Amino acid sequence: DAKTTQPTSMDCAEGRAANLPCNHSTISGNEYVYWYRQIHSQGPQYIIHGLKNNETNEMASLIITEDRKSSTLILPHATLRDTAVYYCIVRSYGGSQGNLIFGKGTKLSVKP
Amino acid sequence: DAGITQSPRYKITETGRQVTLMCHQTWSHSYMFWYRQDLGHGLRLIYYSAAADITDKGEVSDGYVVSRSKTENFPLTLESATRSQTSVYFCASSDPTGFYEQYFGPGTRLTVT
Repeated sequence: DAKTTQPTSMDCAEGRAANLPCNHSTISGNEYVYWYRQIHSQGPQYIIHGLKNNETNEMASLIITEDRKSSTLILPHATLRDTAVYYCIVRSYGGSQGNLIFGKGTKLSVKP
Repeated sequence: DAGITQSPRYKITETGRQVTLMCHQTWSHSYMFWYRQDLGHGLRLIYYSAAADITDKGEVSDGYVVSRSKTENFPLTLESATRSQTSVYFCASSDPTGFYEQYFGPGTRLTVT
Protein backbone atom coordinates (compact mmCIF):
# COMPACT_ATOMS: atom_id res chain seq x y z
CA ASP A 1 0.00 0.00 0.00
CA ALA A 2 1.06 3.55 -0.70
CA LYS A 3 2.47 5.41 2.30
CA THR A 4 0.84 8.67 1.29
CA THR A 5 -2.61 10.23 1.36
CA GLN A 6 -3.70 12.74 -1.27
CA PRO A 7 -7.02 14.36 -2.13
CA THR A 8 -8.79 12.59 -4.96
CA SER A 9 -9.23 15.70 -7.06
CA MET A 10 -8.59 19.44 -7.16
CA ASP A 11 -9.40 22.33 -9.44
CA CYS A 12 -7.22 25.32 -10.22
CA ALA A 13 -7.73 28.40 -12.36
CA GLU A 14 -5.31 28.89 -15.22
CA GLY A 15 -2.49 31.26 -14.28
CA ARG A 16 -2.96 30.72 -10.55
CA ALA A 17 -0.74 28.65 -8.30
CA ALA A 18 -1.76 25.05 -7.82
CA ASN A 19 -1.01 23.70 -4.34
CA LEU A 20 -1.23 19.95 -4.08
CA PRO A 21 -1.04 18.52 -0.55
CA CYS A 22 0.28 15.13 0.50
CA ASN A 23 0.20 13.48 3.89
CA HIS A 24 2.96 11.03 4.78
CA SER A 25 2.69 10.84 8.54
CA THR A 26 4.60 7.54 8.81
CA ILE A 27 7.62 8.67 6.82
CA SER A 28 10.94 7.54 8.25
CA GLY A 29 14.20 9.43 8.43
CA ASN A 30 15.79 7.95 5.32
CA GLU A 31 12.75 8.30 3.08
CA TYR A 32 12.44 10.90 0.36
CA VAL A 33 9.31 12.50 -1.02
CA TYR A 34 8.91 12.25 -4.79
CA TRP A 35 6.34 13.75 -7.08
CA TYR A 36 5.39 12.40 -10.49
CA ARG A 37 2.53 13.32 -12.76
CA GLN A 38 0.67 11.50 -15.49
CA ILE A 39 -1.01 13.38 -18.26
CA HIS A 40 -3.89 11.46 -19.78
CA SER A 41 -2.77 8.28 -21.59
CA GLN A 42 0.93 9.13 -21.26
CA GLY A 43 3.65 7.60 -19.10
CA PRO A 44 4.33 9.22 -15.73
CA GLN A 45 6.76 12.12 -15.63
CA TYR A 46 9.13 12.94 -12.80
CA ILE A 47 8.61 16.39 -11.27
CA ILE A 48 10.71 16.85 -8.15
CA HIS A 49 11.92 15.17 -4.98
CA GLY A 50 13.16 16.19 -1.54
CA LEU A 51 14.28 14.91 1.84
CA LYS A 52 13.65 17.70 4.31
CA ASN A 53 14.59 20.97 2.71
CA ASN A 54 12.33 22.82 0.34
CA GLU A 55 13.21 22.24 -3.27
CA THR A 56 12.57 24.13 -6.49
CA ASN A 57 13.19 23.35 -10.12
CA GLU A 58 11.91 24.63 -13.43
CA MET A 59 8.65 22.75 -13.07
CA ALA A 60 7.61 23.15 -9.45
CA SER A 61 8.44 23.76 -5.80
CA LEU A 62 8.25 21.23 -3.03
CA ILE A 63 7.55 22.38 0.50
CA ILE A 64 8.10 19.79 3.24
CA THR A 65 6.93 20.52 6.77
CA GLU A 66 9.50 20.57 9.53
CA ASP A 67 8.20 17.30 11.02
CA ARG A 68 8.21 15.83 7.48
CA LYS A 69 4.73 14.42 7.94
CA SER A 70 3.29 16.33 5.03
CA SER A 71 4.34 18.21 1.93
CA THR A 72 2.93 20.45 -0.75
CA LEU A 73 3.74 20.52 -4.43
CA ILE A 74 3.37 23.98 -5.90
CA LEU A 75 2.93 24.70 -9.59
CA PRO A 76 3.42 28.49 -9.55
CA HIS A 77 1.45 29.41 -12.66
CA ALA A 78 -0.74 26.51 -13.70
CA THR A 79 -1.57 26.09 -17.38
CA LEU A 80 -4.11 23.86 -19.10
CA ARG A 81 -1.22 21.50 -19.93
CA ASP A 82 -0.74 20.88 -16.21
CA THR A 83 -4.05 19.01 -16.06
CA ALA A 84 -2.94 15.55 -14.92
CA VAL A 85 -2.90 13.05 -12.09
CA TYR A 86 -0.20 13.94 -9.57
CA TYR A 87 1.40 11.23 -7.48
CA CYS A 88 3.16 11.79 -4.19
CA ILE A 89 5.51 8.88 -3.39
CA VAL A 90 7.67 8.13 -0.40
CA ARG A 91 10.77 6.10 -1.10
CA SER A 92 13.99 5.10 0.64
CA TYR A 93 17.34 6.14 -0.72
CA GLY A 94 19.52 3.14 -1.42
CA GLY A 95 16.66 0.71 -1.32
CA SER A 96 15.52 -1.44 -4.18
CA GLN A 97 15.13 0.53 -7.36
CA GLY A 98 11.79 -1.19 -7.68
CA ASN A 99 10.22 0.45 -4.68
CA LEU A 100 8.43 3.26 -6.50
CA ILE A 101 4.89 2.67 -5.25
CA PHE A 102 2.17 4.68 -6.93
CA GLY A 103 -1.07 5.37 -5.11
CA LYS A 104 -4.22 6.82 -6.66
CA GLY A 105 -2.87 10.36 -6.82
CA THR A 106 -4.68 13.68 -7.14
CA LYS A 107 -6.43 14.54 -10.36
CA LEU A 108 -5.71 18.22 -10.98
CA SER A 109 -7.99 20.00 -13.40
CA VAL A 110 -6.77 23.40 -14.58
CA LYS A 111 -9.66 25.46 -15.87
CA PRO A 112 -9.60 28.55 -18.12
CA ASP B 1 15.01 8.19 -31.93
CA ALA B 2 16.43 9.15 -28.59
CA GLY B 3 14.61 8.18 -25.42
CA ILE B 4 12.54 5.22 -24.42
CA THR B 5 10.20 3.51 -26.84
CA GLN B 6 7.69 0.71 -26.56
CA SER B 7 6.23 -1.54 -29.20
CA PRO B 8 3.63 -2.32 -30.15
CA ARG B 9 1.58 0.61 -28.88
CA TYR B 10 -1.63 -1.42 -29.16
CA LYS B 11 -2.10 -5.16 -29.16
CA ILE B 12 -5.10 -7.46 -29.16
CA THR B 13 -4.47 -11.12 -28.46
CA GLU B 14 -6.42 -14.18 -27.49
CA THR B 15 -6.43 -16.02 -24.20
CA GLY B 16 -3.63 -18.58 -24.05
CA ARG B 17 -1.39 -16.96 -26.62
CA GLN B 18 2.13 -15.85 -25.92
CA VAL B 19 2.79 -12.17 -26.46
CA THR B 20 5.95 -10.10 -26.05
CA LEU B 21 6.03 -6.40 -25.37
CA MET B 22 9.22 -4.60 -26.33
CA CYS B 23 11.02 -1.78 -24.57
CA HIS B 24 14.07 0.01 -25.90
CA GLN B 25 16.05 2.90 -24.41
CA THR B 26 18.89 4.87 -25.94
CA TRP B 27 20.41 6.37 -22.80
CA SER B 28 22.36 3.28 -21.69
CA HIS B 29 20.53 3.43 -18.37
CA SER B 30 21.39 0.50 -16.18
CA TYR B 31 17.96 0.14 -14.54
CA MET B 32 14.80 -0.77 -16.40
CA PHE B 33 11.27 -1.47 -15.16
CA TRP B 34 7.93 -2.81 -16.26
CA TYR B 35 4.68 -1.55 -14.73
CA ARG B 36 1.06 -2.25 -15.45
CA GLN B 37 -1.75 0.23 -14.92
CA ASP B 38 -5.34 -0.79 -14.35
CA LEU B 39 -8.34 1.28 -13.38
CA GLY B 40 -8.57 1.40 -9.63
CA HIS B 41 -5.05 0.10 -9.02
CA GLY B 42 -2.69 2.76 -10.23
CA LEU B 43 0.71 1.63 -11.48
CA ARG B 44 2.09 -1.63 -10.16
CA LEU B 45 5.61 -2.95 -10.65
CA ILE B 46 5.90 -6.23 -12.56
CA TYR B 47 9.67 -6.71 -12.95
CA TYR B 48 12.80 -4.65 -12.85
CA SER B 49 16.38 -5.08 -13.94
CA ALA B 50 19.51 -3.52 -12.46
CA ALA B 51 21.73 -4.41 -15.43
CA ALA B 52 22.00 -6.82 -18.30
CA ASP B 53 21.29 -10.37 -17.12
CA ILE B 54 20.08 -9.15 -13.70
CA THR B 55 16.32 -9.14 -13.14
CA ASP B 56 14.04 -9.27 -10.12
CA LYS B 57 10.35 -9.62 -9.43
CA GLY B 58 8.06 -6.81 -8.49
CA GLU B 59 4.65 -6.76 -6.90
CA VAL B 60 2.69 -8.55 -9.66
CA SER B 61 5.11 -10.82 -11.53
CA ASP B 62 3.01 -13.99 -11.82
CA GLY B 63 2.35 -14.87 -15.46
CA TYR B 64 5.15 -12.68 -16.80
CA VAL B 65 8.70 -13.38 -17.90
CA VAL B 66 11.47 -10.91 -18.64
CA SER B 67 14.93 -11.07 -20.08
CA ARG B 68 17.70 -8.56 -20.54
CA SER B 69 20.53 -9.70 -22.72
CA LYS B 70 21.38 -6.15 -23.81
CA THR B 71 21.40 -3.01 -21.69
CA GLU B 72 19.08 -1.15 -24.05
CA ASN B 73 16.32 -3.75 -24.35
CA PHE B 74 13.95 -5.17 -21.76
CA PRO B 75 11.22 -7.33 -23.31
CA LEU B 76 8.23 -8.50 -21.26
CA THR B 77 6.58 -11.79 -22.23
CA LEU B 78 3.17 -13.03 -21.25
CA GLU B 79 3.64 -16.78 -21.62
CA SER B 80 -0.06 -17.63 -21.77
CA ALA B 81 -2.16 -14.49 -21.81
CA THR B 82 -5.23 -14.25 -19.61
CA ARG B 83 -8.06 -11.69 -19.61
CA SER B 84 -6.81 -10.37 -16.27
CA GLN B 85 -3.65 -9.25 -18.04
CA THR B 86 -5.61 -6.76 -20.11
CA SER B 87 -3.96 -3.53 -19.09
CA VAL B 88 -1.72 -0.65 -20.09
CA TYR B 89 1.93 -1.56 -19.73
CA PHE B 90 4.63 1.02 -19.12
CA CYS B 91 8.34 0.55 -19.38
CA ALA B 92 10.74 2.87 -17.56
CA SER B 93 14.48 3.34 -17.20
CA SER B 94 16.76 4.98 -14.68
CA ASP B 95 20.45 5.59 -14.26
CA PRO B 96 22.04 5.17 -10.81
CA THR B 97 23.56 8.61 -11.10
CA GLY B 98 20.03 9.96 -11.52
CA PHE B 99 18.72 7.61 -8.91
CA TYR B 100 15.55 9.44 -8.23
CA GLU B 101 14.16 9.90 -11.68
CA GLN B 102 12.57 7.20 -13.77
CA TYR B 103 11.83 7.95 -17.41
CA PHE B 104 8.68 6.30 -18.72
CA GLY B 105 7.79 5.14 -22.18
CA PRO B 106 4.49 5.91 -23.90
CA GLY B 107 2.85 2.63 -22.91
CA THR B 108 1.39 -0.41 -24.64
CA ARG B 109 -2.34 -0.99 -24.43
CA LEU B 110 -2.90 -4.76 -24.38
CA THR B 111 -6.31 -6.38 -24.71
CA VAL B 112 -6.70 -10.11 -24.12
CA THR B 113 -9.95 -11.51 -25.52
